[in-house]
Order: sequence, then structure tokens, then C-alpha cells
Amino acid sequence: EVQLVESGGGLVQPGGSLRLSCAASGFTFSSYWMNWVRQAPGKGLEWVANIKQDGSEKDYVDSVKGRFTISRDNVKNSLFLQMNSLRAEDTAVYYCARGGSGFSYGKLDYWGQGKLVTVSS
Amino acid sequence: DIQMTQSPSSLSASLGDRVNITCRASQSISSYLNWYQQKPGKAPKLLIYAASSLQGGVPSRFSGGGSGTDFSLTISSLQPEDFATYYCQQTYNTPLTFGGGTKVAIK
Repeated sequence: EVQLVESGGGLVQPGGSLRLSCAASGFTFSSYWMNWVRQAPGKGLEWVANIKQDGSEKDYVDSVKGRFTISRDNVKNSLFLQMNSLRAEDTAVYYCARGGSGFSYGKLDYWGQGKLVTVSS
Repeated sequence: DIQMTQSPSSLSASLGDRVNITCRASQSISSYLNWYQQKPGKAPKLLIYAASSLQGGVPSRFSGGGSGTDFSLTISSLQPEDFATYYCQQTYNTPLTFGGGTKVAIK
């Protein structure tokens, strides 16, 4: 059974940093693109970042470029999102989501339960 | 960035109704379009990928269509478990973008 379990959320002050982790199991982690998607309270879905199977390609939504870094550890089957210079508008539930294995990188077929990140003083 | 516009933003329907949700892309995206269902407090669930392919385990009352800029999600006979918010998503290029969502409520 495919499982994605996020950890590391919480309350942080504006300008602070936080690292999210996503532990994957039940599939060959190194064969799939991985993504982070967020959802602000009461709002819609926003794609944040993705990373290729071997970590050689990464992409971000403009609003987080230069502040967030996506990475992965294919030995530990884990995905990470390092978030720096956090702003109030980054407050959201952050989901880890599995992408496809080829050109279907954007097909998000499994999602974690989500982790709330609150940026507030 | 490709903008995705869903309509309506909300609708009320009765059990057994046929429901249609539309999604329009700001430029042609071929068939690079997925649909998700999200219930309150839960993660989204993939329903349809590549515009019209049913994800495994999803009931056949869900169907998708369209290509280019105009797409649709149809629920042929609304069931109690279908009351949720539905999102379209383009995967033609990054940034991947979602529509604003359509909330399906009970009439």
C-alpha cells in the first residue's frame, strides 16, 4: 500500500524557517517525480514544487523561488521541503504528492494527509 | 503561467442528478488535464487523468472529456459520497496550476 506521511509542520514567526519531511513507503520511491502542494485555509490548491526521480531537476512556483528548496533522499525514501524567509501568506496545509514516472510528472495519484504550517507572530 | 478557470464555483444538486463541471485553460493544453475530488479535512483524490482516463478504483459514474482549452467533468448520477469540492489541474507545463474549485452541495 502506497503511503506518504508528512512531518515537521507547526507555528513559526515571519522570517523564520521550517523543514517539512515526507516519508514514503509501498512503492519504488526513486522511480517517481515528487511534489509539494499547499492549500491556504479555506482556499484552493496551489502547486509549490516538484523534483525529478534522481533530483537532477527541480521546479518551483514563482512565489517561493529563492526561499523554498525541495530535495529528496532515495536511500531513506524521503522528500523534503526547506522553507526559509517564511511569510504570513505561506500559511497553509502542505501536502506531499507522488507524480508520474515519465512525462506524466504532474499526475498526482497519491497524497499525504497534509501538514499545517502557520506563519504568525 | 496557464490560468485554469472552473465553472460554476458552486452548485446544488440532488441525489441521482447528472452534474457537469467545466474547466477552461488560458491556452491550449492538449489533453494534459486532471480532475481531483477533495472532501473537507482530507487530501485530494485523483479521479480523471489525461482529460478522460478514469483512475483505478474510481466509480464509472465519473467521466471526463475535452481537449485544447475546454474540458468537462461529469457525474452521471450523484451519490451521497460525491458531495465534495472538485478541482481541475493542467500538467502541460510548470508551474502546474489548478482551477479555483467547484463545490458540489446537497440541494
